[in-house]
Amino acid sequence: SYVLTQPPSVSVAPGKTARIACGGNTIGSKGVHWYQQKPGQAPLLLMYYDSDRPSGIPERFSGSISGNTATLTISRVEAGDEADYYCQVWDSNNDHIVVFGGGTKLTVL
Amino acid sequence: QLQLQESGPGVVKPSETLSLTCTVSGGSISSVSYSWGWIRQAPGRGLEWIEIIYYSGGITFYNPSLKSRVTMSADTSKNQFSLKLSSVTAADTAVYYCARLSDLSGYPYFDSWGQGTLVTVSS
Repeated sequence: SYVLTQPPSVSVAPGKTARIACGGNTIGSKGVHWYQQKPGQAPLLLMYYDSDRPSGIPERFSGSISGNTATLTISRVEAGDEADYYCQVWDSNNDHIVVFGGGTKLTVL
Repeated sequence: QLQLQESGPGVVKPSETLSLTCTVSGGSISSVSYSWGWIRQAPGRGLEWIEIIYYSGGITFYNPSLKSRVTMSADTSKNQFSLKLSSVTAADTAVYYCARLSDLSGYPYFDSWGQGTLVTVSS
């Protein structure tokens, strides 16, 4: 089955840039989506189709793909960005299933 | 504005069937533009997809690990869709979310989520 691999945690100082990786085989062909989940809240769609932002998501959030890795980049990190971040793809090659990465806890120092 | 609201028992006994309903407002589950799904999150764990229903085609897709125990249905008259998970164990204790699935390019994503409901499996 298809697997998405994320680092368990990333730490960054306020005002700096955070990069959260999501690795998967031929991930560039699958359309990667990202969600932000703050404690006690439902996930929020942060990025879709690799790099498109839903309305209301700040431009500080951006997405990219390189090789077998998708990256969520958060510029000028704020304390309010501290959350869990999940990547997600649709694996149409394997019984048409949704695959989530294990999630990355972003800590703002 | 689209809203999704999960409802159902907060406690289910082991070996019994968990039943949840998602009520949608501000949009129709009959829309051919969207599909609907369930996702869960065990305490302190990540997101686990359960099931998706493409209402327009009546097609459902399941997490293979849960397929034998899961049933999803929709009631367009009430603008609701439901989840049944049979033979539950403590491992099924989780927050259950319903969500809308958007798909414009063959790569679907969840663009709107309910607030989630905690279901505890306990005798």
